[in-house]
Amino acid sequence: DGGITQSPKYLFRKEGQNVTLSCEQNLNHDAMYWYRQDPGQGLRLIYYSQIVNDFQKGDIAEGYSVSREKKESFPLTVTSAQKNPTAFYLCASSTLSTGSGNTIYFGEGSWLTVV
Amino acid sequence: GEDVEQSLFLSVREGDSSVINCTYTDSSSTYLYWYKQEPGAGLQLLTYIFSNMDMKQDQRLTVLLNKKDKHLSLRIADTQTGDSAIYFCAETYNTDKLIFGTGTRLQVFP
Repeated sequence: DGGITQSPKYLFRKEGQNVTLSCEQNLNHDAMYWYRQDPGQGLRLIYYSQIVNDFQKGDIAEGYSVSREKKESFPLTVTSAQKNPTAFYLCASSTLSTGSGNTIYFGEGSWLTVV
Repeated sequence: GEDVEQSLFLSVREGDSSVINCTYTDSSSTYLYWYKQEPGAGLQLLTYIFSNMDMKQDQRLTVLLNKKDKHLSLRIADTQTGDSAIYFCAETYNTDKLIFGTGTRLQVFP
């Protein structure tokens, strides 16, 4: 089935550690996104990428890094510089066609907890 | 900057209609979306509307857009317990990214 796969679903990080969240899509979408969701809040954009080997910072990029070496993959690294990383992380992808709106499809999310 | 606002909670009785409201600030928005999020899951696209439309209906869902007031609403007819979730309004003005509201938690009681 086509879709977006995020892994792991749950991740625990010790303070000072870097962790990487995986996101893979087989929808042949050009654009991929990472959002962060805190309890009772909306989604905030961390990074996005419209093409392989290129990506742009979103609204809250500090303390995060990404890479886009393949069209299907957009991993997110939460570095030790991110002071409050405990959150629900959502990966998404979309085509860049404007014919029917920039419909964005989401993965099931990854919970990151700092211990 | 762009801003999208929603009320945080809505509680309705099963079988009644639910109306979830959203306001946005960016007058150049081209598409507006409604997403549904069930607990611990990703977001599911419910429907979207192009900014030159004022209404769109899809089975139990009706989207109304008042572009002059920058107001978007989602009406769910015959609300069921399975409709209990968080509903996000989102807008885009180019193909780069979506701006999301804070989400409205809909609770349906028997």
